[in-house]
Amino acid sequence: AQSVSQHNHHVILSEAASLELGCNYSYGGTVNLFWYVQYPGQHLQLLLKYFSGDPLVKGIKGFEAEFIKSKFSFNLRKPSVQWSDTAEYFCAVKQYYGGATNKLIFGTGTLLAVQP
Amino acid sequence: NAGVTQTPKFQVLKTGQSMTLQCAQDMNHEYMSWYRQDPGMGLRLIHYSVGAGITDQGEVPNGYNVSRSTTEDFPLRLLSAAPSQTSVYFCASSIRDRGSGYTFGSGTRLTVV
Repeated sequence: AQSVSQHNHHVILSEAASLELGCNYSYGGTVNLFWYVQYPGQHLQLLLKYFSGDPLVKGIKGFEAEFIKSKFSFNLRKPSVQWSDTAEYFCAVKQYYGGATNKLIFGTGTLLAVQP
Repeated sequence: NAGVTQTPKFQVLKTGQSMTLQCAQDMNHEYMSWYRQDPGMGLRLIHYSVGAGITDQGEVPNGYNVSRSTTEDFPLRLLSAAPSQTSVYFCASSIRDRGSGYTFGSGTRLTVV
């Protein structure tokens, strides 16, 4: 079965520090990759997604992620974090069987705390 | 445009009680899913549907039933609530397109005592 690993469970950074959150998945076939953010007390919002083409994708609020197929990875980055980036971040993978769209599987999440 | 609407927002149940969590979307999305979110475990897929009349099990389906009689609605039923079902439940929907992400509802916080 497909699995998604987020190795950083809790990250604490100071404002203006750079951010990189790891995400690895287990499926070797065709996948779509997503990063979602959940601000305190809110529901999940889509940050960015990879479908095909350029493996470096840019999302909202200055976030970007790089798809490295050989490493089964889709790490999230931001050059300079702000206090308002404090949230929980989830990596998710959508896999395909026989060309049919399949379900979205999430990692366990990374809680980011940005100190002013 | 309401998006994905979940009701209720909060609920307390006694062990053994039954209830239905409601989910409705007004975006004509084919795909709908139910997730539960627990600390340190991320979001786990309970059930999902690829269209009216079609449902399938996710990672943690035990204790939950679903049905999809219309495109818009995807209710989640707890037949006999257990304390282990205390969680935050999210409903999500998506169009069929491969590259599309899911739109999430605001969640239902359920406590089973």
